[in-house]
This record gives sequence, C-alpha cells and structure tokens, in this order.
Amino acid sequence: QKEVEQDPGPLSVPEGAIVSLNCTYSNSAFQYFMWYRQYSRKGPELLMYTYSSGNKEDGRFTAQVDKSSKYISLFIRDSQPSDSATYLCAVAGSQGNLIFGKGTKLSVKP
Amino acid sequence: EADIYQTPRYLVIGTGKKITLECSQTMGHDKMYWYQQDPGMELHLIHYSYGVNSTEKGDLSSESTVSRIRTEHFPLTLESARPSHTSQYLCASKRGGSYNEQFFGPGTRLTVL
Repeated sequence: QKEVEQDPGPLSVPEGAIVSLNCTYSNSAFQYFMWYRQYSRKGPELLMYTYSSGNKEDGRFTAQVDKSSKYISLFIRDSQPSDSATYLCAVAGSQGNLIFGKGTKLSVKP
Repeated sequence: EADIYQTPRYLVIGTGKKITLECSQTMGHDKMYWYQQDPGMELHLIHYSYGVNSTEKGDLSSESTVSRIRTEHFPLTLESARPSHTSQYLCASKRGGSYNEQFFGPGTRLTVL
C-alpha cells in the first residue's frame, strides 16, 4: 500500500467553480500535511500546510485534515484560470523529507 | 520566490556520459534533498543531507551519488548515464527543526539517449 494516494485526474472545471482535491494516507503517525502547487516546468511551491487534524483557510484555499479517516482535502473557491496547475498532497516523513501523492492536474477554463 | 537554483535546466546527453546536476541555495538551510519526478508519478526521494559532510540514500534506489562539502551546494552525479535515468530531478532545502517549509528548485529535466 502506498503511503499517500491521490487521484491524478485530470480535472477540468469552469472558472468560478469550487474545486475539491483529495488524498488518503496510510500511516496514522503522520502529523504534518502539505499541499504543493506545481506549474508546468517549475518546481513545487508550498500552498498550505496543516498540523494534525482540522481546517486551515487562506484566501480562496481551505485545507482540511481528518486523521480519523486519514483523509486530506484541499478546496479552492471561485477557481481562476491562474489556478491551473498540478496539486500535490504530501506528508512529512521521518527524515524530514516529504512523501508525495501523484498529483492532480487541474485545468480551470475561462 | 525561493533562493534555490538548479543548473542546467535541460540536458540531453548520450549513454555512458558522466554528468553532474548542480543545486545551490542561499538561505543557509542545513537540510537538502534530491527528488526524482516522472510524468504522472510521485516525487521520490533519492538522496538527502542533514548538513556538511552528511549524505544519505533515500527511499528510491538510485545509481547517482551526492556530496555536501559546502552548506549551500548539493550536487548530484551520474557516473555513466543510461536511458533509464531520463527523468526530472528536483532539489529542495529546508531549515532544521520538526517542521519547516521545504523549498524546491525549478528542476533539471534530463534526457539520456
């Protein structure tokens, strides 16, 4: 079983839609959960991180962690064409590295 | 934007060549990482370093080697490149501590013919 599972999509939505991206993880010991955004031909950049369970909001983005079900979510409200990118969920591993899902490619159409 | 740099950005070489992918950061971060990323697949950790003279192999088996002689510099070397090494290589760094943001470079896209 992979440590982090993510549906790779692709996902195509119209501008203004609410986007829901999801991951599951296998190890209940994970405490830090991240969402990275990666534009084409660029390295990933941190979008949001959450410690333990709960919600975190930053503008149009909300990250949610449910440790009881080992489920990580990212919601994007009022999606914009500039949000078109690959979104990677990640958890912090024991060596300080990140364990990533496959990434979901999102396309927001004007 | 993160102060972490990778060169070259793109490299096409023939089988059997020795190559070094450069990674430098100006943030004074202790920890540095190399990940390999193939299309539609997860980033996989191939090497990491906790500081000068520290290098460790990651989860994904790799024929590459790394060195960490200076804090800011973490090059990756392939002694004899093969087509199976074709991939995107991403370098990252972070400060020490339980959790700190990991910053990524732009990546090197390597193609071995």
